[in-house]
Formats: sequence, structure tokens, C-alpha cells
Amino acid sequence: QVQLQESGPGLVKPSETLSLTCTVSGYSISSGYFWGWIRQPPEKGLEWIAVINHSGTTYYNPSLKSRVTISVDTSKNHFSLELTSMTAADAAVYYCARVMGGSDYYDYWGQGTLVTVSS
Amino acid sequence: QFVLTQPPSVSAAPGQTVTISCSGSSSNIGSDYVSWYQQLPGTVPKLLIFEDSKRPSGIPDRFSGSKFGTSATLGITGLQTGDEADYYCGTWDNSLSAMLFGGGTKLTVL
Repeated sequence: QVQLQESGPGLVKPSETLSLTCTVSGYSISSGYFWGWIRQPPEKGLEWIAVINHSGTTYYNPSLKSRVTISVDTSKNHFSLELTSMTAADAAVYYCARVMGGSDYYDYWGQGTLVTVSS
Repeated sequence: QFVLTQPPSVSAAPGQTVTISCSGSSSNIGSDYVSWYQQLPGTVPKLLIFEDSKRPSGIPDRFSGSKFGTSATLGITGLQTGDEADYYCGTWDNSLSAMLFGGGTKLTVL
């Protein structure tokens, strides 16, 4: 069974950089698929952030592209997200998920991690 | 503002049928697959429909998806109180090279 688990700080100060990692179990990232990040501000809808595959091909949300970096470490079977210059508007539950490339659907999701932005 | 437009809310009585629309454009729905997600209160989004109309294993056939042109529709028959959730459509936009999600539709089963 494919499982994804987000890890990272629950609290980030304004202007700082958020770093999150998604550890995958039950499936080798090197075997294929894309892997992505989605966030959901409190009481709001889903916002797509970025995706990456095992070879490092990336796609980013145009509105976040200048602040976001997604990376993959196949040796550790995890992928990561960095979001710079955090503001209150970036407070959200951050989900990682497995993505079927080409068909672009998200079939396995992590439990999500709540990130608060406050000094 | 979401590029994929969904009604904010829909409601129906138990046992009835409801449809949720998702409207896009030729660069997204019109040229790529649509997926649908169900998010029960306080839970993680769950894949409901992929590739416009296919159901993952374990999803009951009360849930169906269809697409025509630049619009997609999620249908739910035999509504149950347990279907109360937020529903999101998603698709790739070939002009933006980005994934899009609709704004979400809150389903209330009266």
C-alpha cells in the first residue's frame, strides 16, 4: 500500500523559508509517476503548488514559481518543498500526493501538515 | 479567482440525484483529462473519478463523471448523508503548464 507522510515545522516566521519533506513508503519514487504538493488554506479550496518526477522534471504553479522549489531524493525515497518569503497568506494545510503523469490525477495523498505563519 | 468554475454549493434530499458542474476552457478541460475529489469534513481529499469518467477501485458506481467540450460533470445518485462533503474538479492546463483545481462545491444532503 502506497503511503505518503509529510514532515516539517508547523510554525514559520514571516519572511522565512518553509521546508517540507514527503516520505513515500510502499512504492519506489524511482519506479515512476510524478509527485506533488498541494495546499489548502483554512476554510478554502485546494491550490496546486508543484510536481516533480524521479528524473527531476518539474512543473510549478505560475503564481508561486518565483518562491517555490521542489526536489526529489530517490535514495531516501522522498521529495521536498521549499517556499521562501512566507507570509500569512501561505498559512495552510500542505499535502503531498502521488500524481499519474499524463492523466494528471492524484491517487494517493498524505495526511497533510498544518503550517502556521506567525512571529 | 479559479480558472475552473464550480457552483459553491448544491443540495438535495437523501436518495435523490445531484450533479456538480466544472467549467473550463479549451486549454484545460477541452484538451486534458478531468479528475474529481471528495473531501469529507476534516479529512484528506480522496480521488473519486479519474480520466473524466473512471472510478478507482472501491468507489461505488453511484458516482459518475462525464465531460462534454470544456465542461465536466460529477453525478451522484442515491444520495446519502455520508456524501456530504466538498467536491473538487481538477485538470491540467496546457497553456499554463499547471494543474488546476476548481473552487470546490459543498454538497448538503438535506
